[in-house]
Amino acid sequence: EVQLVESGGGLVQPGGSLRLSCAASGFTFSSYDMHWVRQATGKGLEWVSAIGTAGDTYYPGSVKGRFTISRENAKNSLYLQMNSLRAGDTAVYYCARVRGAAADLWYFDLWGRGTLVTVSS
Amino acid sequence: QSVLTQPPSASGTPGQRVTISCSGSSSNIGSNYVYWYQQLPGTAPKLLIYRNNQRPSGVPDRFSGSKSGTSASLAISGLRSEDEADYYCAAWDDSLSAVVFGGGTKLTVL
Repeated sequence: EVQLVESGGGLVQPGGSLRLSCAASGFTFSSYDMHWVRQATGKGLEWVSAIGTAGDTYYPGSVKGRFTISRENAKNSLYLQMNSLRAGDTAVYYCARVRGAAADLWYFDLWGRGTLVTVSS
Repeated sequence: QSVLTQPPSASGTPGQRVTISCSGSSSNIGSNYVYWYQQLPGTAPKLLIYRNNQRPSGVPDRFSGSKSGTSASLAISGLRSEDEADYYCAAWDDSLSAVVFGGGTKLTVL
């Protein structure tokens, strides 16, 4: 079955760190760009990070310098290292498979179920 | 405040046609493709429309997308109760170098 399964979410204090994982199955993981998208409770979607098949990475200004996306193709796994966490980072984090040969053509054709990150003291 | 602007809510009765708008600027919708995602209650988003008006396999032809200038629309014809969901538009923004989303539109089937 083609699927993405996130893990690693939980409760963390402001200023703390957390590492999310996403396990891919049912498709050739190494052939796809992969992204993270988050959604605060009751709010809209926000793009968090991207990694290309060659390991090139992309971030929006809101997380640049604090979050690091990485991948391990041998394990069909995607990761998101989150440091200096703030209350505003509280959200469900989805990993998503991407189609499109360039950034302006990216779209998400497969999503995981998400993992909840809560930043609170 | 989302970069792309959508109405927070929309509604219709079964069988009706409804449209959801998405307004942007020259740096996003005006120069790039628009994508639409459907999020049923308690689930992850699902791709509904890509490259302005293309439907992935499995998406009914009741769903259609269009774009004109710096705005886009999602139309749903023959509305059904299972269409009740949140709908999001998205595009690449050249100025922000980021994927940007609309704030989402909650569709209610009356």
